[in-house]
Amino acid sequence: GDSVTQMEGPVTLSEEAFLTINCTYTATGYPSLFWYVQYPGEGLQLLLKATKADDKGSNKGFEATYRKETTSFHLEKGSVQVSDSAVYFCALSDYNFNKFYFGSGTKLNVKP
Amino acid sequence: EAQVTQNPRYLITVTGKKLTVTCSQNMNHEYMSWYRQDPGLGLRQIYYSMNVEVTDKGDVPEGYKVSRKEKRNFPLILESPSPNQTSLYFCASSPGLAGVYEQYFGPGTRLTVT
Repeated sequence: GDSVTQMEGPVTLSEEAFLTINCTYTATGYPSLFWYVQYPGEGLQLLLKATKADDKGSNKGFEATYRKETTSFHLEKGSVQVSDSAVYFCALSDYNFNKFYFGSGTKLNVKP
Repeated sequence: EAQVTQNPRYLITVTGKKLTVTCSQNMNHEYMSWYRQDPGLGLRQIYYSMNVEVTDKGDVPEGYKVSRKEKRNFPLILESPSPNQTSLYFCASSPGLAGVYEQYFGPGTRLTVT
């Protein structure tokens, strides 16, 4: 079945460091891919998405490119801030766009 | 304010005592869904609904029931809760298909079953 695998955390970085969080997927057909972010004590919020191969999603300085050949959707940011500290979830929706599969989440700690 | 609300936010109950967690959205969204969040497992989809009276199973539906009699409400029912259903539960809604539109999440319900 469909699934998402993302790198284990926590990831600890200093402010202004470069961020990469790896995400790979297994899916039938052509899924849509997402990154959601969860701040402490809150529900999830959509960070960015990509709906077809080679699409690049971007928002708030974060980027991820839908790579069909490597079944990956890695999250990157050039310069992280303390306010980026949160848990990041990679997710996919199946070809019917109804079922959703999330990765296990990666906690990011950014130190001043 | 556009939002998804869940009640209760915290619940401690005993094995076998039926409970309902309510979810309501005020955005006239067609799609609604329930997830559970467990450490190391991320979020797993329990049930989803594409419209009134249309529901389907997600990845982990066992031990749960749902209904969608009105567009705004999507309650989650645990007929006979067990300790392995102790978890953090999130309701979400979307204007249309969740793979096309953003999902908006509620604040979560922390359930403990003893």
